[in-house]
Amino acid sequence: QAQLVQSGAEVKKPGASVKVSCKASGYTFTSFPITWVRQAPGQGLEWMGWISAYNGNSNYPQKLQGRVTMTTDISTNTAYMELRSLRSDDTAVYYCARAPDLYDNSGHYRLAAFDVWGHGTMVTVSS
Amino acid sequence: DIVLTQSPDSLAVSLGERATINCKSSQTVLYSSNNKNFLAWYQQTPGQPPKLLIHWASTRQSGVPDRFSGSGSGTDFTLTISSLQAEDVAVYYCQQYYSTPYTFGQGTKLEIK
Repeated sequence: QAQLVQSGAEVKKPGASVKVSCKASGYTFTSFPITWVRQAPGQGLEWMGWISAYNGNSNYPQKLQGRVTMTTDISTNTAYMELRSLRSDDTAVYYCARAPDLYDNSGHYRLAAFDVWGHGTMVTVSS
Repeated sequence: DIVLTQSPDSLAVSLGERATINCKSSQTVLYSSNNKNFLAWYQQTPGQPPKLLIHWASTRQSGVPDRFSGSGSGTDFTLTISSLQAEDVAVYYCQQYYSTPYTFGQGTKLEIK
């Protein structure tokens, strides 16, 4: 059974960095990209980007480019999300999720819906 | 960016009754090349991560009860719960994976009347 286990809660000061881990089990890690989604307290879901566990290719939204880096370690089946220059509005629960991928009829690479989720990691940014 | 607007924001339905949640996209999420709608529905209960219910707009994820169904195409989509159960109390989100940045609707809170 596919499972994603995330690292524990973090408290950081403004301007610091945080690195959250997501360890996969129960499936072939390199066969599925990992995506990250965050949720501020009482708010909705915000997509943060994805990374291929197969070749390391990644895609981040413009809003976070320059502040976020996603990596994987295939020796430990673990994905990481690092967010730098933290601000108070980065306070959120951070989720990793597995995203099946596909090539469409035109040969374009795409992700499908996020089918397995981690339990979430609370990151609090406070002075 | 594709904006998804859900309606209503909240909904109260009696046990055993039908619940309907709508999701409107600012642009089509139907990919003509394969005739698939790149739209999913998730259920989130308090303190839990989102759970995938429906993908490709109408395909039920494995293990999801058949009282959940998805419909629609292009820009207008609907999640229907045919007979509401107590365990269905949750916030429901639609999501497009047609183009990056992938986006979610604002969520619809479903309660028991």
